[in-house]
Amino acid sequence: NAGVTQTPKFRVLKTGQSMTLLCAQDMNHEYMYWYRQDPGMGLRLIHYSVGEGTTAKGEVPDGYNVSRLKKQNFLLGLESAAPSQTSVYFCASSYSMDIAMFFGPGTRLTVL
Amino acid sequence: QQQVKQSPQSLIVQKGGISIINCAYENTAFDYFPWYQQFPGKGPALLIAIRPDVSEKKEGRFTISFNKSAKQFSLHIMDSQPGDSATYFCAASMIGNTPLVFGKGTRLSVIA
Repeated sequence: NAGVTQTPKFRVLKTGQSMTLLCAQDMNHEYMYWYRQDPGMGLRLIHYSVGEGTTAKGEVPDGYNVSRLKKQNFLLGLESAAPSQTSVYFCASSYSMDIAMFFGPGTRLTVL
Repeated sequence: QQQVKQSPQSLIVQKGGISIINCAYENTAFDYFPWYQQFPGKGPALLIAIRPDVSEKKEGRFTISFNKSAKQFSLHIMDSQPGDSATYFCAASMIGNTPLVFGKGTRLSVIA
């Protein structure tokens, strides 16, 4: 089992460019999440999904969009990147919200 | 509004000593309290978790102490080792299937 994988691992964007981060899990989890991690800010939830075809906003959703077309995949999109979106992005998945959450290895994004 | 307040921000402990990290919360609807451990360059991983029906849970050298009346919970690492050097996050989630909210993290350094 690969667990939770994220693509790409690193990316540099210019302001205004768009990109999509891909998260895949092979554990048949219903729930998937996107967090961003910034120094001194901890992990902040961007969007999450409680099942295929569903999405919901988290704490910091502005500037991001998500899609969950397949149960195993959760995509995070940046339509027009801004320097404030420079961060490390983590995808996670779980069977439910009150048991172990499994994180991917992260994507380090820099927006110039 | 920060729902889970974690302290200290950083901690240096001698090898063999006890590391203590504290978290406080306001929302009495929280009913699941996990701790996550993150090594540099990796995603967080579940370390130990507790529910409010018990006051303490121990797994090896790691113990969660939970004080429902004070709305506080803490992580104790006994016989701390250099390999425990990592960032630790407390978190909480509410009854009714809501995503975890994380504290801002504590960077622990265990020195020989």
